[in-house]
This record gives sequence, structure tokens and C-alpha cells, in this order.
Amino acid sequence: NAGVTQTPKFQVLKTGQSMTLQCAQDMNHNSMYWYRQDPGMGLRLIYYSASEGTTDKGEVPNGYNVSRLNKREFSLRLESAAPSQTSVYFCASSPHQGTGLAREQYFGPGTRLTVT
Amino acid sequence: QKEVEQDPGPLSVPEGAIVSLNCTYSNSAFQYFMWYRQYSRKGPELLMYTYSSGNKEDGRFTAQVDKSSKYISLFIRDSQPSDSATYLCAMSRSGGYQKVTFGTGTKLQVIP
Repeated sequence: NAGVTQTPKFQVLKTGQSMTLQCAQDMNHNSMYWYRQDPGMGLRLIYYSASEGTTDKGEVPNGYNVSRLNKREFSLRLESAAPSQTSVYFCASSPHQGTGLAREQYFGPGTRLTVT
Repeated sequence: QKEVEQDPGPLSVPEGAIVSLNCTYSNSAFQYFMWYRQYSRKGPELLMYTYSSGNKEDGRFTAQVDKSSKYISLFIRDSQPSDSATYLCAMSRSGGYQKVTFGTGTKLQVIP
């Protein structure tokens, strides 16, 4: 049981390049999330998927797109990377759906992205 | 003003000490209160969560919520060097989907 896995672990991009961050969970969880973590800013939600087939914007969605490929997988795409997107990206999943949806989240190990 | 405030530390304590980590918040609608532990270069790991006010204990960890003061605490008894990590508080409202608001984390170092 691997929990939440993310690939790649590290990535360096040039401004304007695109890439997709992959996330998969093997816990049969309904909900999945993408966060970014920056010094002094805490974790900020980029997008979330409350259930298979649905996605919604979080607080910092600009410059990103997501795909909930199936119940297990949730990918994050940067279409045209900018230096402001240099960050550590975490994927998370949660078993709950409905009231208190996001209170119990399980995080992946993160992807460290640098955009030059 | 941020919705959730957390002292960044670092907080250094000797092994065996009782550690108190705290967060204040401004949104009185928050009902769920969580504590996550994050080791360096790892993802956050949920320690415990509480609903509304009161205390919750799990081994050496006790979470306390005082909604009247908008103040939450995490106490660690008999602290160990393995407790050295950054501790994030988090909170959300109840009802349907409610996003989680995270604190910026307090870095704790337990010195052997």
C-alpha cells in the first residue's frame, strides 16, 4: 500500500515550457487535491476534485489545469511555466465526501519545481 | 490579516520537555481543527483532528480547542528528537465541501 505517490520528485523548467505533475493514490479515496507550499505562505489549494469526474478551482488556480483521469489519478498541468510557479507541489487525497470533506487528508511526498 | 496565524519558530526544547504549539484564527465559523506534522522535504502527515471545542488525546499528543478565544494548541509530552519537524495547524468549516485553511507552520527542534 503506497498511499499517495507523485512524479516527478524534482523538475527544472525554463519559462514558457509546459509539464504535467502526476499523482496517484491506492486508498480508494473519493477526493483529491493539489496544493503548493511556499515559504511564509503555508499550503495553498490550487484545484481539487471532490469525486471522480468533477474538478473545482481552489484559491490559486491561475496558470494551472487539472484532470481527474479516474478515481486513482489526478494530474496537474502547467501550460506555460512562469518563475512565480517555482514551489513545492503536494497532492493529497481524502476518503470523505460530504460534510467535513477535507478534514482528513493524506499527502504525497511532493514535487520540487524550479522555473528559471 | 491572515485567517490563521502560527508562530514560525524555530522552537528548541530539550528532550523530555513538554512542548506547546499554538495557532490563533479569526473565522468563528471554523469547526474542524487539525494538526499535521511535516518532516523536512516530506509531505504533511495528519496527527489528529478535533471537532468544535474540547480536548483530544492520542498517546503523547493532546489537541486543545478554545473557540471562545479562537485559539488552538497541540501539546507534546515527553518530547523526543524524532518529534523534530514543522507542525502545521489547519481548520475548516463544516457542511458540504469546505476548504482547509493551513497555518504556515512552527518548526520544532528537540535536542537530545
